[in-house]
Amino acid sequence: DVKVTQSSRYLVKRTGEKVFLECVQDMDHENMFWYRQDPGLGLRLIYFSYDVKMKEKGDIPEGYSVSREKKERFSLILESASTNQTSMYLCASSRDNSYNSPLHFGNGTRLTVT
Amino acid sequence: AQSVTQLGSHVSVSEGALVLLRCNYSSSVPPYLFWYVQYPNQGLQLLLKYTSAATLVKGINGFEAEFKKSETSFHLTKPSAHMSDAAEYFCAVTGVGYSTLTFGKGTMLLVSP
Repeated sequence: DVKVTQSSRYLVKRTGEKVFLECVQDMDHENMFWYRQDPGLGLRLIYFSYDVKMKEKGDIPEGYSVSREKKERFSLILESASTNQTSMYLCASSRDNSYNSPLHFGNGTRLTVT
Repeated sequence: AQSVTQLGSHVSVSEGALVLLRCNYSSSVPPYLFWYVQYPNQGLQLLLKYTSAATLVKGINGFEAEFKKSETSFHLTKPSAHMSDAAEYFCAVTGVGYSTLTFGKGTMLLVSP
């Protein structure tokens, strides 16, 4: 079974802090994704990556950046956390770009910015 | 552009009753459609997918969905609800030329005894 592991389940940070959310997958998947999930808004794509050192903006990239130095690890960075970034963050991976390649999700990191 | 509309943010059923969760899509290319489920305090997991083969798709846990092009719909059904089906369900769409999934806003399924 594919395992996508997010390093923190809950995180509390102060406004203005630099925040790192880490995600690791163990199945040699090509693609990795970061979503945020908010009640009533569903999942919104922040950034994704098709390969090491590659990144693409999703629908809501403002205020975020990402890093993929190794294939298995995809980090989401909040350069200067703000209260409107309080949310559930979900990492996902998929084998490739084939439409038969489903997303595998981690259990999420619930971030609170005070 | 692609989009998904899930009708009803909450659906309540009794245990043993039919489950029907509605999903309508909009796509400028032939769509590939998915249903994911999220149990409390967990990430999403794939229930089933439509990728242009059979229009009636069977998934895990007794769920199935039917692709109806004329209605641009991909509704999720289960004949008899179980308490363990209580979760949030997300419909998602992608297609040729698109590199990511677009998710709906989710429908919370509540199952009462």
